[in-house]
Amino acid sequence: DARVTQTPRHKVTEMGQEVTMRCQPILGHNTVFWYRQTMMQGLELLAYFRNRAPLDDSGMPKDRFSAEMPDATLATLKIQPSEPRDSAVYFCASGLLGNTGELFFGEGSRLTVL
Amino acid sequence: SQQGEEDPQALSIQEGENATMNCSYKTSINNLQWYRQNSGRGLVHLILIRSNEREKHSGRLRVTLDTSKKSSSLLITASRAADTASYFCATDAGGNQFYFGTGTSLTVIP
Repeated sequence: DARVTQTPRHKVTEMGQEVTMRCQPILGHNTVFWYRQTMMQGLELLAYFRNRAPLDDSGMPKDRFSAEMPDATLATLKIQPSEPRDSAVYFCASGLLGNTGELFFGEGSRLTVL
Repeated sequence: SQQGEEDPQALSIQEGENATMNCSYKTSINNLQWYRQNSGRGLVHLILIRSNEREKHSGRLRVTLDTSKKSSSLLITASRAADTASYFCATDAGGNQFYFGTGTSLTVIP
């Protein structure tokens, strides 16, 4: 079964450390999204890419977050330096938009910043 | 949230009963989708309804869309314990940016 793969599944780190989360989208999908989920804010759209080009990252705190797609098989979300308020579950989703519009989600990366 | 709100926030029903949850959104949309999330897992797509559609069915799911009221509802008929999950609506305003609501937590009691 084709699926979106995210690593790591869990990460505990100290405030100030750099965190990198990785996502392997489904092969052939042209759009990749990063979401952050917290109890208070729900699912927030952080950034998305179409054909590897960043289209919108307005939901992302620019001073510490960065998102890239170095190639079609890898999307990364980096936080530097991390803060306790960044603790959340980060989801990557991919889709073949212009088709069904359905998004396929990974299992998420649960980040805890102490 | 960035776009929508579901209500109720939480719903508890007996197995076999129907579950209805609602979604309201803020801007005009191209389509609206419903997703399901089991505890600790990623979201899974359930159904998509386009802005020119008013109702859609898929198995035990029925979705309605009222663009004049900017609202949608998801009905799950003959609920099962396995339907216990959180349910989210997601809207696409045309830029293929999918914004999710806050979710309804459904508990189906066996």
